Amino acid sequence: AQSVSQHNHHVILSEAASLELGCNYSYGGTVNLFWYVQYPGQHLQLLLKYFSGDPLVKGIKGFEAEFIKSKFSFNLRKPSVQWSDTAEYFCAVIPNFGNEKLTFGTGTRLTIIP
Amino acid sequence: GAGVSQTPSNKVTEKGKYVELRCDPISGHTALYWYRQSLGQGPEFLIYFQGTGAADDSGLPNDRFFAVRPEGSVSTLKIQRTERGDSAVYLCASSLLEGPGPTYGYTFGSGTRLTVV
Repeated sequence: AQSVSQHNHHVILSEAASLELGCNYSYGGTVNLFWYVQYPGQHLQLLLKYFSGDPLVKGIKGFEAEFIKSKFSFNLRKPSVQWSDTAEYFCAVIPNFGNEKLTFGTGTRLTIIP
Repeated sequence: GAGVSQTPSNKVTEKGKYVELRCDPISGHTALYWYRQSLGQGPEFLIYFQGTGAADDSGLPNDRFFAVRPEGSVSTLKIQRTERGDSAVYLCASSLLEGPGPTYGYTFGSGTRLTVV
């Protein structure tokens, strides 16, 4: 079965700082990868997703993520964070075939200090 | 509707009671999913419906949990003899099975926060 690790549990940054949140997955086959964001009091929203092709994926709100197959990683990045990026971020994986279940990491809480 | 609707948004119940949580998916979405999110954790899969049938219920923790989707639209998650450990946010998602895969249009609801006292 697949699994996802997010090693940063809580990250605190000042506005305009650069962000990188780690995500590593464990699965022997081809996977699809996702980052979801949950703003305070709101539902989970899709930030970006990788299915195939260019390993550098651009999402909404200036976020991007890079799939590095050799490292089983899909780290989330943003060059300059804003106070409004304060939220919980979840990495998730689903195998490419035959499985409908998203497997989520435990999440990273991001706090941006104005 | 425009999004996935879950009711109630909050539910407090006494240990041992029965609860029902409702999910109204996006109109036309054939796939429906239930997840559970405990404090400090990511969402965990419970059950997946394709139409009216449960295609995968391997995430249901025990036989106190049951879910139905009788007409292929609204789904109800039922929990019998609730325990304090059942306290969590229960999330519903739906998707339209097209494009590169069923997760292409995976949309979550706001969840039901269940507290068992």
